[in-house]
Amino acid sequence: NAGVTQTPKFQVLKTGQSMTLQCAQDMNHNSMYWYRQDPGMGLRLIYYSASEGTTDKGEVPNGYNVSRLNKREFSLRLESAAPSQTSVYFCASSEGAGVETQYFGPGTRLLVL
Amino acid sequence: GENVEQHPSTLSVQEGDSAVIKCTYSDSASNYFPWYKQELGKRPQLIIDIRSNVGEKKDQRIAVTLNKTAKHFSLHITETQPEDSAVYFCAAIFSGGYNKLIFGAGTRLAVHP
Repeated sequence: NAGVTQTPKFQVLKTGQSMTLQCAQDMNHNSMYWYRQDPGMGLRLIYYSASEGTTDKGEVPNGYNVSRLNKREFSLRLESAAPSQTSVYFCASSEGAGVETQYFGPGTRLLVL
Repeated sequence: GENVEQHPSTLSVQEGDSAVIKCTYSDSASNYFPWYKQELGKRPQLIIDIRSNVGEKKDQRIAVTLNKTAKHFSLHITETQPEDSAVYFCAAIFSGGYNKLIFGAGTRLAVHP
């Protein structure tokens, strides 16, 4: 039981390049989330998917798109990367969309030059 | 707006001392308050949570207290050990179409032998 997995672990992009961050969970959870973590700012929600087939914006969605591919997988896409998107990205999942414990993946460290 | 404030941002204690981290939240309807621990380079992991129908919860050396009237909750770590050194995040559920977690900015705890 791997829990929540993310790929890649680390990525360097040039401004304007695109990339997709992958996330998968094997806990049969309904809800999945993408956060970014910047120094001194905690974790901020980018997008979430309350259940398979639905996605919605969080606090900081600009510059990102998501796809809930199936119940297990939730991807985050940067269409045209900017230096302001340099951050550590965490995917998380929970059983449902209520007051449920969220389990985090190991993170993807992204550097945009 | 939706906000969780966390204090202090850094905390340094001697091994064996107690550590207290405090958070306040803005939404009086919040009813779930988790605490996450993040070691350097690792993912956030849930260490304890409390729901609004209780005022205090303990798990070995850690405890959380909740004052719903004042809209604040605290993490207490007793008999601190060097392995408690990490960044701690509080969070609160905010409702409004979907229950989402809003995180505090984090407290870096250093426990010195």
